[in-house]
Amino acid sequence: GAVVSQHPSRVICKSGTSVKIECRSLDFQATTMFWYRQFPKKSLMLMATSNEGSKATYEQGVEKDKFLINHASLTLSTLTVTSAHPEDSSFYICSAKDGSRVVSGKGPTDTQYFGPGTRLTVL
Amino acid sequence: GQNIDQPTEMTATEGAIVQINCTYQTSGFNGLFWYQQHAGEAPTFLSYNVLDGLEEKGRFSSFLSRSKGYSYLLLKELQMKDSASYLCAGADSNYQLIWGAGTKLIIKP
Repeated sequence: GAVVSQHPSRVICKSGTSVKIECRSLDFQATTMFWYRQFPKKSLMLMATSNEGSKATYEQGVEKDKFLINHASLTLSTLTVTSAHPEDSSFYICSAKDGSRVVSGKGPTDTQYFGPGTRLTVL
Repeated sequence: GQNIDQPTEMTATEGAIVQINCTYQTSGFNGLFWYQQHAGEAPTFLSYNVLDGLEEKGRFSSFLSRSKGYSYLLLKELQMKDSASYLCAGADSNYQLIWGAGTKLIIKP
């Protein structure tokens, strides 16, 4: 259980174009999804927290007009990189929180399960 | 402030045991997570501790001491496929994960 898919896995685009990345929770409902970016050999950087039916919360320094997030259903969140530039080339990873998961004796775990990631290359 | 500290890199020998330490400071505490990340791939969930003590799961175990703000991940009978980065993350009072930079584990034959 707790499978998260992400599409596409790899995309190459020209500078100035927009790219949409989809993140889906396949076997659970995710009220909260997260979008991360990771540069080579660097740690995960949280970009934004996406709650179903409401506006995403962006981390400091992340442009919300450039990275559009839509969480229209309990199983789907999308990240659109608008007017992409070479410096936006990175590994984009989504995760989904399964708030219904309860571990005996511990309560809800709020574990984040990650999608396989999308490698974006902007030429 | 909130902070997660873990070593940048560790080296161990195939078949041996290695312990990866993590210290944390979070605003409130709702558990400590360990994730494994192979190069070029997304992280995968390994363990979650919210109570003090050791949680064993096959070759991997995770320990938590809340009073010391300390956790470790113990890997036994190391295999070459265990070469990866291991990420420690603490959940704060809002269940927001505070991520460490990861420990790159290199396994040598």
